[in-house]
Amino acid sequence: EAGVAQSPRYKIIEKRQSVAFWCNPISGHATLYWYQQILGQGPKLLIQFQNNGVVDDSQLPKDRFSAERLKGVDSTLKIQPAKLEDSAVYLCASSRGGQGPTRSEQYFGPGTRLTVT
Amino acid sequence: AQRVTQPEKLLSVFKGAPVELKCNYSYSGSPELFWYVQYSRQRLQLLLRHISRESIKGFTADLNKGETSFHLKKPFAQEEDSAMYYCALGSGSARQLTFGSGTQLTVLP
Repeated sequence: EAGVAQSPRYKIIEKRQSVAFWCNPISGHATLYWYQQILGQGPKLLIQFQNNGVVDDSQLPKDRFSAERLKGVDSTLKIQPAKLEDSAVYLCASSRGGQGPTRSEQYFGPGTRLTVT
Repeated sequence: AQRVTQPEKLLSVFKGAPVELKCNYSYSGSPELFWYVQYSRQRLQLLLRHISRESIKGFTADLNKGETSFHLKKPFAQEEDSAMYYCALGSGSARQLTFGSGTQLTVLP
């Protein structure tokens, strides 16, 4: 099966600019996640979708970050305006959801490396 | 709140030596623990999960609820095991993952 796709792979912007990331999950996966991984740290969950509804966005800085998953498939994550501390790798992951022991097994995309100057 | 601690940022061992990557967690509910691995220039991928109680690539991990630990072990390290390893805790009804900060394992020839 095709893996999780993300674009762009790299992005350099100046502070106060806006940026958007795109994610296409594995076909049939109901749950989609966005993570932020700052250098030297583990991934931190920003938002989780179940189909096109938000399950958890408690760690999403809503004053500048937004995300949507229209039609329950692809998703976009936007930052507006960007700050220097937003420099990180943004990871998208998906899981099957539903029931069973593998329902929460997450498959990750290659990530988008964002540099804010 | 849940927390995952990986005390070693860097770990080096020689090929053929045993290796143990430490992971401790704090969570008041029933935890689900995972180990994820990221090889150089590859994406993050699941290595193993505690409920499967399986050995993957020679690695095993046992959940010790008394010590709140989920250490990853391999009796004989190989050079291809060199990678970044993350311990993760699944919590809540939606099983959100909380990751540790990772341990960079280097297996020396």
